[in-house]
Amino acid sequence: GAVVSQHPSRVICKSGTSVKIECRSLDFQATTMFWYRQFPKQSLMLMATSNEGSKATYEQGVEKDKFLINHASLTLSTLTVTSAHPEDSSFYICSARDRRGGANEQFFGPGTRLTVL
Amino acid sequence: AQSVAQPEDQVNVAEGNPLTVKCTYSVSGNPYLFWYVQYPNRGLQFLLKYITGDNLVKGSYGFEAEFNKSQTSFHLKKPSALVSDSALYFCAVTSGSGAGSYQLTFGKGTKLSVIP
Repeated sequence: GAVVSQHPSRVICKSGTSVKIECRSLDFQATTMFWYRQFPKQSLMLMATSNEGSKATYEQGVEKDKFLINHASLTLSTLTVTSAHPEDSSFYICSARDRRGGANEQFFGPGTRLTVL
Repeated sequence: AQSVAQPEDQVNVAEGNPLTVKCTYSVSGNPYLFWYVQYPNRGLQFLLKYITGDNLVKGSYGFEAEFNKSQTSFHLKKPSALVSDSALYFCAVTSGSGAGSYQLTFGKGTKLSVIP
């Protein structure tokens, strides 16, 4: 149980294009999903917290118009990197918190490697 | 604000020897502590957590961690290391209440290398 998927696992795009990454909780309902960014050999940095049916809360320094987050249902959140540039190249990881809460545990997706040429 | 410190960028240990990966934390309120492992180009895999109760927590793949409130530490341990344990390990903390509860703060990670 508690499986989170991400799609795509890897994407290469040209500078200026937009890229959408999907995060799905496969066997549970997630009231809250989190989006992280990880640079090589560095830790995960929280970008935003996404609650179903409401606007995402972005961390300081994260451009909300650049990184659009939509949490349309209890099992799906999407991150769209708009007008991507090479500096947006990174490993993006989502996580989901089980609606039943309790242990404050987050379940992580396998990550999406974005390369912007 | 909550924070996590993993003082070692890298830990090397011989196969079969015990291993320890260190973690200290700072958080307002009661800490909820987690250890995750990451293999190259993969997401995070959950190893174990401390929420409440026994200070010694046992997790996946033979790993365990000891919660020490007075030292604000949550070191990861394993009695006998395997080569397959070589990976990047992250300690994380959150609190169960207040603004930002449920938001995990990660340490910078410790690369574990188990030498055959």
